[in-house]
Amino acid sequence: SSLLTQPPSVSVAPGKTARITCGVNNFGSKSVHWYQQKPGQAPVLLMYDDSDRPSGIPERFSGSNSGNTAILTISRVEAGDEADYYCQVWDSVTDRIVVFGGGTKLTVL
Amino acid sequence: EVQLVESGGGLVRPGGSLKLSCAASGFTFSGSAIHWVRQASGKGLEWVGRIRSRLNGYATAYAASMKGRFTISRDDSEDTSYLQMNSLKTEDTAVYYCTKAFCSGRSCHYDYWGQGTLVTVSS
Repeated sequence: SSLLTQPPSVSVAPGKTARITCGVNNFGSKSVHWYQQKPGQAPVLLMYDDSDRPSGIPERFSGSNSGNTAILTISRVEAGDEADYYCQVWDSVTDRIVVFGGGTKLTVL
Repeated sequence: EVQLVESGGGLVRPGGSLKLSCAASGFTFSGSAIHWVRQASGKGLEWVGRIRSRLNGYATAYAASMKGRFTISRDDSEDTSYLQMNSLKTEDTAVYYCTKAFCSGRSCHYDYWGQGTLVTVSS
């Protein structure tokens, strides 16, 4: 089981706002990164260092991190946002080094 | 344009070995850490291990379940990283991705991924 806790699935209607959580209780104040993976494709970096977007990622995607829970927010959801979303932290203290959340399947209704 | 291209996947018997390659282009390979991540069919992402740059002593680290069986190396003259997998188990069946790591003082994340190569361990 993953040490980063994500809900297995989130459903949202087109045009609405989706929020995907990532519980990071065991990692203190770690930066959280997010990836989007569509079926049959490699993951793509969506958000890094909690809330920074790589170039090319729409402003509809935003991130936050309270310390215990990181949240990926997708505003004005589109059908093309349907994908799996993974959070990730880097933990240099333990041998785990890199940990991924279990992933959240976003379904656009 | 940054590209990472994995190769070398295939079918292998339990207990066997396989060596994957990751050919990189479009960035300064020698200065970058390379990580390997795998994904079993229908499952989530699992970190395999990493190799740091020459500046950081080519240091390697591995996930606990792979330590002692998997070895990551690199050839900076060829802009290529390798993942040598020995004593393979059926549970090692997965798509293996190589990734370019961007590391700041705070953390590392993966800004580029290869397309992945499928490894199937089966008798």
